[in-house]
Order: sequence, then C-alpha cells, then structure tokens
Amino acid sequence: KAGVTQTPRYLIKTRGQQVTLSCSPISGHRSVSWYQQTPGQGLQFLFEYFSETQRNKGNFPGRFSGRQFSNSRSEMNVSTLELGDSALYLCASSLVTTGGYEQYFGPGTRLTVT
Amino acid sequence: AQSVTQLGSHVSVSEGALVLLRCNYSSSVPPYLFWYVQYPNQGLQLLLKYTTGATLVKGINGFEAEFKKSETSFHLTKPSAHMSDAAEYFCAVKNDKIIFGKGTRLHILP
Repeated sequence: KAGVTQTPRYLIKTRGQQVTLSCSPISGHRSVSWYQQTPGQGLQFLFEYFSETQRNKGNFPGRFSGRQFSNSRSEMNVSTLELGDSALYLCASSLVTTGGYEQYFGPGTRLTVT
Repeated sequence: AQSVTQLGSHVSVSEGALVLLRCNYSSSVPPYLFWYVQYPNQGLQLLLKYTTGATLVKGINGFEAEFKKSETSFHLTKPSAHMSDAAEYFCAVKNDKIIFGKGTRLHILP
C-alpha cells in the first residue's frame, strides 16, 4: 500500500506570494492533518480534515487554510507569505482501527520564503 | 489542556548502551500516547503507541515504552543503542488533536 505523498517536496517563494501544498493520504484513510515544523517552535498542529470537513484547527492566522476533496486528497494554502512561514510542512493521514488510532506521515514539503 | 514535555533536547549514549528518552504529559482524560522518529529530511515514522490495555508497549527497531499513569510518563527505552538509532524522537499525546513534544535528538557515540 502506498504511503502518504506530498507535492512538491521543495519550494522557494517570495514574501507576499501565496503557495498551495498537496497531500495524498494512504488509500482508505479519510482523515488528513497538517503540521508545521520549525527549529524554534517544533511541530505545530495546523488543522485536520475528515470527509471534506475541517474537524480541528490549531492556532494559526487566517492566512493558513486548507481543504479536502471527496477522494480524501488535501491541499493547504498559505497566502501573503512571510519569512517566518519558512518551514517543513508535514501531512499525515490517520485511521481509527480496533487497535486504536494510527497516524502516518508523509515526507513533507520544505518551504523557503525569501 | 494537554501538553507534552520531553526532558533533554539532546541525549548522547554510547553504542551498545541503554537508550532512555523521557516524556511526561498532561491530559484531562486518559490519552493516546505515541513515539515517533524522524531521520534527516524525512517525515515522522511511528515507533510505537499506547491506547489501552498493557502498559508496556513494544515498537519497531527494538524500542519499547511504558505508560505510567501515576507518573504521567511514557518514557522510551532500548536496551542496546545502534548507530542507526541516531535521529530525532518525538513524544505525542492525543485527545481531540495530537500535541507533540519539542523532540529529543539522540546521538550515538562509537
């Protein structure tokens, strides 16, 4: 079974631009979460989508948004980029089983804002 | 509110020695607990998880962790470190959403 895929893997943008990141979850997983990882703040939860609905949201400004499509693929958008948005953005898909909750991460998209 | 504290941002152990990475959590309800490992330029890989039942959980690569409710701890151990264990390790707690600790970078000394 293929893992979580994220595209693109690397991205360089200029301040003020916007960016869209894509995530394809593991087949059968309906929940997708997004995280921002930086050296200073560590891993911070952005939001979670389940069946096309945002189920949870972290403490990020409205410039950060996301959506999920009917095939469970998800996109994350950041508008009006700031230097501080430079980070590794991780997507994870999850599944609740009889064994509990499991979450699997993609390789991430490294965004550099100049 | 739930939170996770990992003691030590860097831990160094000799190859063959015991690995102990500490994690304490706070949660208003019994949580799910996880340990993840991250190698350079990669995503996070699940090492092990605690949901319910047996408090000693075995994971991949010889790692295990013990859930101690009275101490609100979920420390990660491995009896004998290997060079390939050098990576960053994250403890996480989940109630409605997953909260990660700041991470501990494990260095293996030859």
